[in-house]
Amino acid sequence: KNQVEQSPQSLIILEGKNCTLQCNYTVSPFSNLRWYKQDTGRGPVSLTIMTFSENTKSNGRYTATLDADTKQSSLHITASQLSDSASYICVPSGAGSYQLTFGKGTKLSVIP
Amino acid sequence: NAGVTQTPKFQVLKTGQSMTLQCAQDMNHEYMSWYRQDPGMGLRLIHYSVGAGITDQGEVPNGYNVSRSTTEDFPLRLLSAAPSQTSVYFCASRAPARLASTDTQYFGPGTRLTVL
Repeated sequence: KNQVEQSPQSLIILEGKNCTLQCNYTVSPFSNLRWYKQDTGRGPVSLTIMTFSENTKSNGRYTATLDADTKQSSLHITASQLSDSASYICVPSGAGSYQLTFGKGTKLSVIP
Repeated sequence: NAGVTQTPKFQVLKTGQSMTLQCAQDMNHEYMSWYRQDPGMGLRLIHYSVGAGITDQGEVPNGYNVSRSTTEDFPLRLLSAAPSQTSVYFCASRAPARLASTDTQYFGPGTRLTVL
């Protein structure tokens, strides 16, 4: 069964600091991996999408990395802002299915 | 473009009642899907559609029906609501319906449903 584990479950950081969120998955055969940002009470918004051949992808202050061999991904947030407070969800996708496996997310709180 | 819209935003039902959650997108996307999000769990796929007239079951389809008569609309029907269906429901769409697509998937704002 496809599984996704994200760590930490929650994280509190000071505004302006950097942080890294982790994602381990067991989806096979693997096709691509997405990171979403979900603000409280809203739908997820796509941050990055990486295929199995990509190692890193950036979207502004967000940088995602992928190691398809070890089935690990990370999301690095640089110079955090209060608006970064949200849940960040890792979503690996299999090659032969429409069904995405959503992680439970990491809840990030950025405080002044 | 309005993107993906969902109505209602909030709904309270009694056990056994039926209702339809509405979802529409104005981006001419082929692929549309419904998810539910429960506390402490990742989003789970209920049903999806790869085009008008074509639907299929996801991970948790029991108690829900869907239809896709047009490209734009993808309603989700609860036939006989149960407390276990208390959840937040999200509709999503993306452009191509092909497997392993890397196109952006857009989510609606969600419907918060409580079944008493």
